[in-house]
Amino acid sequence: GAGVSQSPRYKVAKRGQDVALRCDPISGHVSLFWYQQALGQGPEFLTYFQNEAQLDKSGLPSDRFFAERPEGSVSTLKIQRTQQEDSAVYLCASSRRDRTKNTEAFFGQGTRLTVV
Amino acid sequence: QKEVEQNSGPLSVPEGAIASLNCTYSDRVSQSFFWYRQYSGKSPELIMSIYSNGDKEDGRFTAQLNKASQYVSLLIRDSQPSDSATYLCAVKGGSSYKLIFGSGTRLLVRP
Repeated sequence: GAGVSQSPRYKVAKRGQDVALRCDPISGHVSLFWYQQALGQGPEFLTYFQNEAQLDKSGLPSDRFFAERPEGSVSTLKIQRTQQEDSAVYLCASSRRDRTKNTEAFFGQGTRLTVV
Repeated sequence: QKEVEQNSGPLSVPEGAIASLNCTYSDRVSQSFFWYRQYSGKSPELIMSIYSNGDKEDGRFTAQLNKASQYVSLLIRDSQPSDSATYLCAVKGGSSYKLIFGSGTRLLVRP
C-alpha cells in the first residue's frame, strides 16, 4: 500500500475488555515497530519485528500486551484485560531494512485507545 | 537523565522568522538522527534525517548534527503558521533498530 495503515482509528473499551489493534505496513517493509504515545509525550517503544520474528519486546509494559506478525506482513497488537492506564495512542511504523543506520521509519495514523 | 532531551516549549516565533529546535542525546554511539513533525491529533511525519556531522538542507529545513557535543538541531527558515506543530527528535544507536524519541518541542508560528 501507499502508507502504513492502522485500524481501528479509535477504540473505546470497557475496563477488563480485550482489544486487538491492526497494522498493515508499507509493502515490502521488513521491519515493523509498535509504539505507545501518551498525551504530551513522545512515542515510547513497545516491540519490534523483523519479518515474522519478534526480535525485541522489551517495551511491552506487562504480560497483558502481546504482538504478532505471523506472515511477516500484517501485525496485531493485543491487549488483554485493559486498564485505564492503557489509554493512549498506539502507533505502528515500518521501515525497508533493518539494523542499518540509514533506515527511515514511517508511521501509520495510529489507534487512539480509550479505556473507560 | 532521559536518553533524548528536548525543550517542551512552546517556542513562539513570528511568521517569516527562523525557528531553531534543539535536541541532546545521551548515547555516544548513536548513529542516526531524525526529525518528525506531529500535528495535533495526527501521527509523526518524517521531515529530516541526518547521519553525519554538519548540516543537511532540504528546502526550508536544515538539520545540524554535532556528535562530539551530542547535539542535533532543526532550523526552519521563513516559518509559516502551517509549521505550527510538535517537533520530535528521534535517535537510533549504531547497531540498534530502535528509535528513541524525545518528548517533543511545540512550535507556534504567529501570523
